Amino acid sequence: RKEVEQDPGPFNVPEGATVAFNCTYSNSASQSFFWYRQDCRKEPKLLMSVYSSGNEDGRFTAQLNRASQYISLLIRDSKLSDSATYLCVVNGVSSNTGKLIFGQGTTLQVKP
Amino acid sequence: DADVTQTPRNRITKTGKRIMLECSQTKGHDRMYWYRQDPGLGLRLIYYSFDVKDINKGEISDGYSVSRQAQAKFSLSLESAIPNQTALYFCATSGTDRGNNQPQHFGDGTRLSIL
Repeated sequence: RKEVEQDPGPFNVPEGATVAFNCTYSNSASQSFFWYRQDCRKEPKLLMSVYSSGNEDGRFTAQLNRASQYISLLIRDSKLSDSATYLCVVNGVSSNTGKLIFGQGTTLQVKP
Repeated sequence: DADVTQTPRNRITKTGKRIMLECSQTKGHDRMYWYRQDPGLGLRLIYYSFDVKDINKGEISDGYSVSRQAQAKFSLSLESAIPNQTALYFCATSGTDRGNNQPQHFGDGTRLSIL
């Protein structure tokens, strides 16, 4: 089983749609969770950290479910500019290493 | 100016050549990382360093070596390049001011092709 698993998609949605991505992780001791965005042939960029209580940043909402070991990202009112690959990221097995484990990414394509 | 700078941005070279990829940062972070990214495989950690005297292997370190010349510089070397090292390489940094729960910040990447 992969340490971090995502549905690769692609998710094809119309502008204005709401779309949700899920990600599961295998290590119950993981403490840090992030969503990154990566555009084609570009570097990953931090979209948002994921907190236990859930957090929202504009049209983006992240949730963490420790019991089921998954995190989610909800995008409301999708824009064309949201088209990208979204990477689920979890800190590594040993929490004192600062190592992050990256999922393969979920591709989102927002169409007019 | 970018906080994390990688050079070169693109490189094409031949099998057997020695190649060095450079990374420098102005973020003042202690921790630096090298990843490679291949289609369908996501990002994989090659080496990481928590300070100038600390070097650690990642999950795919074979065929690579690194040097942490200063807090701000972390270079990756391919001693004898082979075609399956063709990939997109990223350098990243992270801070430690809130323990280990720190996101990483990436450079623009180096696209390396080994012929």
